[in-house]
Amino acid sequence: GAVVSQHPSWVICKSGTSVKIECRSLDFQATTMFWYRQFPKQSLMLMATSNEGSKATYEQGVEKDKFLINHASLTLSTLTVTSAHPEDSSFYICSARDMGLAGTDTQYFGPGTRLTVL
Amino acid sequence: SQKIEQNSEALNIQEGKTATLTCNYTNYSPAYLQWYRQDPGRGPVFLLLIRENEKEKRKERLKVTFDTTLKQSLFHITASQPADSATYLCALRTSYSSASKIIFGSGTRLSIRP
Repeated sequence: GAVVSQHPSWVICKSGTSVKIECRSLDFQATTMFWYRQFPKQSLMLMATSNEGSKATYEQGVEKDKFLINHASLTLSTLTVTSAHPEDSSFYICSARDMGLAGTDTQYFGPGTRLTVL
Repeated sequence: SQKIEQNSEALNIQEGKTATLTCNYTNYSPAYLQWYRQDPGRGPVFLLLIRENEKEKRKERLKVTFDTTLKQSLFHITASQPADSATYLCALRTSYSSASKIIFGSGTRLSIRP
């Protein structure tokens, strides 16, 4: 299956700093990528949809100025958590959409990034 | 309101038995349904996709059924093994449109005891 990588796999930062997470589709081009966050023992919550060459679409309740998304190429999307605070500590997962055969597009997920804000 | 529910938060199965996980949805007409496996601290891994016009899909020891009348999908693992222990997520895509989203259930944590 298709491979999606995320970097870094974990990061610890001080409150008030910004953290950038990269998501790459390694063997396919993804015009659309998605960013999720997941709290312990909970399901994935979609934060935003990232479209190559255009602005991201954010879900209700997600601050676009706090979670900056850039999708500058067909294989790379970045999520920057600006002025991070302890409540931003979470598991962030990206996924990339592989259109594949007509009507059977599938999202492939990255391994996730564990963010801990002290 | 629209909901997708996996009605068992956790399931314990004896090794060798068939594990059956349930996914129900309301107020959606999904184009297709997907099942993912997620291990602790890892991203979900895609397992199977079943379309609205398909009744059943198989892949090795995995079988998925899709009943659009009952608005339900069942996910079966036959001859279960301890290595199958993980959280399994069902997800539905609301339409074939490129703008459609995948909506996830809350997951079922499956434990296979030796």
